[in-house]
Amino acid sequence: QSVLTQPPSVSGAPGQRVTISCTGSRSNFGAGYDVHWYQQLPGTAPKLLIYGNNNRPSGVPDRFSGSKSGTSASLAITGLQSEDEADYYCQSYDTTLSGLVVFGGGTKLTVL
Amino acid sequence: QVQLQESGPGLVKPSQTLSLTCTVSGGSISSGLYYWSWIRQHPGKGLEWIGYIYNGVSTYYNPSLKSRVTISGDTSKNQFSLNLSSVTAADTAVYYCTRGVNNYGFRFDYWGQGTLVTVSS
Repeated sequence: QSVLTQPPSVSGAPGQRVTISCTGSRSNFGAGYDVHWYQQLPGTAPKLLIYGNNNRPSGVPDRFSGSKSGTSASLAITGLQSEDEADYYCQSYDTTLSGLVVFGGGTKLTVL
Repeated sequence: QVQLQESGPGLVKPSQTLSLTCTVSGGSISSGLYYWSWIRQHPGKGLEWIGYIYNGVSTYYNPSLKSRVTISGDTSKNQFSLNLSSVTAADTAVYYCTRGVNNYGFRFDYWGQGTLVTVSS
């Protein structure tokens, strides 16, 4: 059971917009800690996709955006492309004994 | 450009100690700006943070693994290492070394390619 809750899977057709939710609690998002998102393509290491709730590292297309409100966060992908098919993880900082660093369980994005 | 590379045995026997090393290039593990971390991923599962070392000597571990984990640094070689004792099949996973940074929140901006460690007799 992950501290941050994500849907196991989402899907969308090419060109569409999809969102992936990440639900936290008062000990992480609710305490003001930021959310970060990682993309893991099949057989590769995770890659930082969004940091500090809504910032993109250099090289990440602006089709990817993030937001956070209260104890929830979300990742949005617009203009869906086949190469976006991957696992996506949210991550934050937590003040409980769950550990300082916590991840969501991951969401598999399928491009139809 | 920061690069991290894991190395170590791919097979460890139950009850023994898993030992991995991460070699860092393009950045110094003695820098107080970064948190050199280990993260693992069980087969087909999500990510689990193991712990980190910063300033080359200070460490912090996931409470669920703390009793079995030691992370150490060798500043002369710019390497940091993971020791996980008393392993079981449940420790079979891909182990990643990463760089953590704490501005705009605590995140991991560089990752090694990962190394699969299997615990089996």
